This record gives sequence, C-alpha cells and structure tokens, in this order.
Amino acid sequence: GEDVEQSLFLSVREGDSSVINCTYTDSSSTYLYWYKQEPGAGLQLLTYIFSNMDMKQDQRLTVLLNKKDKHLSLRIADTQTGDSAIYFCAESPPRRGQNFVFGPGTRLSVLP
Amino acid sequence: GAVVSQHPSRVICKSGTSVKIECRSLDFQATTMFWYRQFPKQSLMLMATSNEGSKATYEQGVEKDKFLINHASLTLSTLTVTSAHPEDSSFYICSARDPQVSYNEQFFGPGTRLTVL
Repeated sequence: GEDVEQSLFLSVREGDSSVINCTYTDSSSTYLYWYKQEPGAGLQLLTYIFSNMDMKQDQRLTVLLNKKDKHLSLRIADTQTGDSAIYFCAESPPRRGQNFVFGPGTRLSVLP
Repeated sequence: GAVVSQHPSRVICKSGTSVKIECRSLDFQATTMFWYRQFPKQSLMLMATSNEGSKATYEQGVEKDKFLINHASLTLSTLTVTSAHPEDSSFYICSARDPQVSYNEQFFGPGTRLTVL
C-alpha cells in the first residue's frame, strides 16, 4: 500500500501488556521507528529497529519486525497510566530520501 | 539525547499577519531540519525539508510563498507563515537530524500551536 497503517485506538487495563501494530510500505526502509506523543507535545523517540533484526527489547518495550509482511509491532509490558499517549510508527524509505513517513498514530488509553 | 527547541510554544494572531516560528538544535549541529504540520487527532504531515545554506525542499501541495523557510545556520531554522488565515491554524512541529547519529533519528521540537483569528 501507499500509506503506513496503524489501528487508531487501543485501550488496556493498567498492568496488562499493550500491543500496537503497524504495516509499513517499503521493505527497503533501513530503520523503523516508534515515537510517542503526549498531549500538546512533540514526538519522543521510544525505540527503533534496524531492518535486519527480527526483535529488539528495551526494558518494557519489545519491537517485533516481520520484514516479509512489512509488519512492525510494539509491545509495552506492564502498561502504566503514564503510557497513555499517541504512538506513531515511522519508516524512512529510500524513495523519500532522508524523510520519514509516519503512520496515523495509535491512541493508547490505559484504564485504572 | 539531543534537544530541539521551538519558539514560541503558542501564538495567536490576526488574519493577514505573518508569524515566525523558530526551531533550534541546542546541543548539536543539524545539517537538515524538517517542518511538519499536525491537525487535531491526525498524523504529522511533512511540509518541507530544510538544509543549511540552501533552499528548502517543499512537499507537493505546500505553498513555498506562504510558508517561508530559512535555515541560516547549523542550529537554527525558521518557518514564517505569511498572511496567515484561519485555515493555517494548526500545530507546527520541527525536527532536526544529527549527522553524528547513525540510525537516522530525527529529534523533535515540542511544537508550536498557531491560532489565527
């Protein structure tokens, strides 16, 4: 497809795991990224994964990459209320030079 | 990590006036900076890519005479919204690339909320 796709909403209970999925467009993208945006703020890089990796773990965050299906996921273990935010996946496809292509963002709501 | 600041964080102006937004990389030299626009509950739309010392590259559909970008130094890029109209009201976010970082990360500013009355 032409666009990076994400589900728009996700609600989880505090302490549960959250899984946010993303389908990107270009299998030539060298790096894939997850950014977090809190209300009224800019974007903060959470993690990134190099395209030759299948998985990357960083504390509560686990990124899985299925390059064949161009599918990227972000798992947040033990989700906390402070994790409530919008999560954007992004790719940097060669056809776009240095530019990022962002997904629409997934709004994560963490319920007490 | 690298820090990018934006100023102002919020601006309200009258229709027809021009507004300048500054984006600064505070602790690194950014050869490339990016300007995005974000509508409520939507993703970021890249407006233009700004390289130090050269003209900005605008995305299709973005009026370069409307959105003037200047990247005069390795730590500063400015976006001027000329003759602003209510439809220009939006959240404008800049980012900067640190050439020392190998994984191509863009460091984002906190954003500027522009409201045109």
